[in-house]
Amino acid sequence: ETGVTQTPRHLVMGMTNKKSLKCEQHLGHNAMYWYKQSAKKPLELMFVYNFKEQTENNSVPSRFSPECPNSSHLFLHLHTLQPEDSALYLCASSQVGQANYGYTFGSGTRLTVV
Amino acid sequence: EDQVTQSPEALRLQEGESSSLNCSYTVSGLRGLFWYRQDPGKGPEFLFTLYSAGEEKEKERLKATLTKKESFLHITAPKPEDSATYLCAVLYSGGGADGLTFGKGTHLIIQP
Repeated sequence: ETGVTQTPRHLVMGMTNKKSLKCEQHLGHNAMYWYKQSAKKPLELMFVYNFKEQTENNSVPSRFSPECPNSSHLFLHLHTLQPEDSALYLCASSQVGQANYGYTFGSGTRLTVV
Repeated sequence: EDQVTQSPEALRLQEGESSSLNCSYTVSGLRGLFWYRQDPGKGPEFLFTLYSAGEEKEKERLKATLTKKESFLHITAPKPEDSATYLCAVLYSGGGADGLTFGKGTHLIIQP
């Protein structure tokens, strides 16, 4: 397995459900990111983790809860979401201080909230 | 005001018809400008990083250039497989811990 892997690829959940998105990177990177991609909008940075420590939270609602147990794994825990949270959620990784070499993105999880 | 603006939003070309995509930015302290390609149902794929005005990079039919306030992605003699959404992003001082700021993208269609 190489690159950045996200699971599941698709997820449909009700507004009262609790679910988690998983991201794993096999690149030896030490920074990981969650982005949200909605139609007609730019990718929105949600969370940044450097060396497992959260260094940025871009005013994301508390119904989104990230977890980074180690440098290779990143989770996004979801609860009581709203229909407007339906989007493509992308995970990415890079080397701390070397983001100018580019991120590597996963294929994303397409989330639909009903 | 958007910090990264891409134009046009969509572009339809005939195979072999060269053109350019534009990315303008308003941030200060640029640390890098990035171009990504995104195919439907997939995550963005890294193409180039540009660091300073006057820099150019090439990959197959693509060439990226950078000035002080904008970047161009030139596509020479495109093929249908070049159809994708092309995303521009910036990394800048004060932009947060290595977080990239993206534009909305240009949706490019190359017709055979």
